[in-house]
Amino acid sequence: GEDVEQSLFLSVREGDSSVINCTYTDSSSTYLYWYKQEPGAGLQLLTYIFSNMDMKQDQRLTVLLNKKDKHLSLRIADTQTGDSAIYFCAEINNAGNMLTFGGGTRLMVKP
Amino acid sequence: DVKVTQSSRYLVKRTGEKVFLECVQDMDHENMFWYRQDPGLGLRLIYFSYDVKMKEKGDIPEGYSVSREKKERFSLILESASTNQTSMYLCASRAGTTFQETQYFGPGTRLLVL
Repeated sequence: GEDVEQSLFLSVREGDSSVINCTYTDSSSTYLYWYKQEPGAGLQLLTYIFSNMDMKQDQRLTVLLNKKDKHLSLRIADTQTGDSAIYFCAEINNAGNMLTFGGGTRLMVKP
Repeated sequence: DVKVTQSSRYLVKRTGEKVFLECVQDMDHENMFWYRQDPGLGLRLIYFSYDVKMKEKGDIPEGYSVSREKKERFSLILESASTNQTSMYLCASRAGTTFQETQYFGPGTRLLVL
């Protein structure tokens, strides 16, 4: 079955860039997603990328997709304390109705 | 703004009790989902529903059932709660079936089974 993996924890200093990595196994995934979960809240969609794209940029967020290696990354430029949260990557199945989530990466931003 | 609400933020139940978790969305979405979230495991899909009275098993349906009698409401039922069902439960809804459509999540219900 599908498997999505992420490292558990990342710590950066305020103002630095953060890079959160994700690997997935379903090569037929059409869309890949990044969600953010702030403490005590549900998940919020940050961005998504279509599988025929290599890169997508949205303000401070850059998503890179290496389809050959099945590797997805999320780069946050000029990381702020408000970016502290858990970040989940997810892939969608072919039918477009089920997401498979990674375990989440907890990002801690130190002032 | 889409709003997904869950009936309780925190719930404490005893082993063997029947537990109902309620989820309501106000945007007329066809699709609704129940996940459980455990540290290091991410979100795992329990059940989803793509229409009233329709349901599909997710990855971990054992020990759970669901009910969708009205479009806006999707209930998760633990027939006989067990300690290994202590978890955070997240409900989500989504409008259609295009890949770009995001799932909107509720704030979660943290369930403790003693």
